[in-house]
Amino acid sequence: SQQGEEDPQALSIQEGENATMNCSYKTSINNLQWYRQNSGRGLVHLILIRSNEREKHSGRLRVTLDTSKKSSSLLITASRAADTASYFCAANRDDKIIFGKGTRLHILP
Amino acid sequence: KAGVTQTPRYLIKTRGQQVTLSCSPISGHRSVSWYQQTPGQGLQFLFEYFSETQRNKGNFPGRFSGRQFSNSRSEMNVSTLELGDSALYLCASSLELTGNTIYFGEGSWLTVV
Repeated sequence: SQQGEEDPQALSIQEGENATMNCSYKTSINNLQWYRQNSGRGLVHLILIRSNEREKHSGRLRVTLDTSKKSSSLLITASRAADTASYFCAANRDDKIIFGKGTRLHILP
Repeated sequence: KAGVTQTPRYLIKTRGQQVTLSCSPISGHRSVSWYQQTPGQGLQFLFEYFSETQRNKGNFPGRFSGRQFSNSRSEMNVSTLELGDSALYLCASSLELTGNTIYFGEGSWLTVV
């Protein structure tokens, strides 16, 4: 079963708008990571948030983690065409990383 | 520093054949993990190797196997290929056992006809 489940499955927004993706997981975790995948390519690591952290920033990315709700969110501010990709959360527990099925983000010009 | 390198990038095989995929991790990385990605199932964990030993294994049949060499390079093998094995196979490496950031290769596209 999937440890991480992203929501929504697909998201289309206008360039310049903010995009928010959510991830829920089932068990306690050591950390949660977000990855981006451009069509047919490998995954690129975006950000890692540890279980004792609540919020983390990296450039236009903001990640939050709520361990009580077993959920995380990824916010991309001021979206650009190049942000069009699939985004995956990956929950890590006991040296096992389990990926969700991803959110397909499409930035409209 | 070179990234994770996977070969071949694309290949077509016939049902019943076997295939071997290769992965060279980032220099200094000792952990290599493999994933299968399909549109229907998403990213599924196959196995992870660390210091030539399989440390974790996903829920795949015995037709899927792998190994890691002393230089940390890894190979995975799929025997008796089935149509459903058509997928993007991704290799990832990390410094230590999975728990921190893992770095992915571009993947090997396998089509079984």
